[in-house]
Amino acid sequence: DTEVTQTPKHLVMGMTNKKSLKCEQHMGHRAMYWYKQKAKKPPELMFVYSYEKLSINESVPSRFSPECPNSSLLNLHLHALQPEDSALYLCASSQSQGLGISGNTIYFGEGSWLTVV
Amino acid sequence: GENVEQHPSTLSVQEGDSAVIKCTYSDSASNYFPWYKQELGKRPQLIIDIRSNVGEKKDQRIAVTLNKTAKHFSLHITETQPEDSAVYFCAASGAGGTSYGKLTFGQGTILTVHP
Repeated sequence: DTEVTQTPKHLVMGMTNKKSLKCEQHMGHRAMYWYKQKAKKPPELMFVYSYEKLSINESVPSRFSPECPNSSLLNLHLHALQPEDSALYLCASSQSQGLGISGNTIYFGEGSWLTVV
Repeated sequence: GENVEQHPSTLSVQEGDSAVIKCTYSDSASNYFPWYKQELGKRPQLIIDIRSNVGEKKDQRIAVTLNKTAKHFSLHITETQPEDSAVYFCAASGAGGTSYGKLTFGQGTILTVHP
């Protein structure tokens, strides 16, 4: 099973709403990632969790709050977002953060399409 | 931090021709170089990757070459088919420090294969 499952697939939220994106993997991976992708642009890294601890925060605004409740789950809590935050949010996982290690590959989920109105 | 430049931004070929996409990276410590194919509305899908201890890797119609000295790597697709049409992204990841586990992507190449 090489699946990274993300829910919801589509989300429309107002600027005062609080919502969460969820991500799950059952591959035993210990590194999990959130990426943001705007239309016609490459994915941009937001956060990396390694062994359930936040390893990288790419200076993401505090209105995005990641959470890793256990080794299989990754959440992204959203609050007071702006219309410019509308994008595809991709979750990904890999065996570990050391991508140079042979056989260690990042697997992406299908993504959550977020629209902020 | 790492910076990845990708060229060309668009590439149009006839079915059966070869397609070549090139990327350069800035961080000499980078050691992992994947290529992703992304169809409209879909997730990026890994098509091939190469690590810094290897100069070339091939998988059927797809090959990747890496020149560590020049800090560039290339994707080669032979015998292109219309279903190869998509956006292709190169990426690089470092071995440690602030680049550890961080994939930095190129800007993407829109490949169109005409039947």
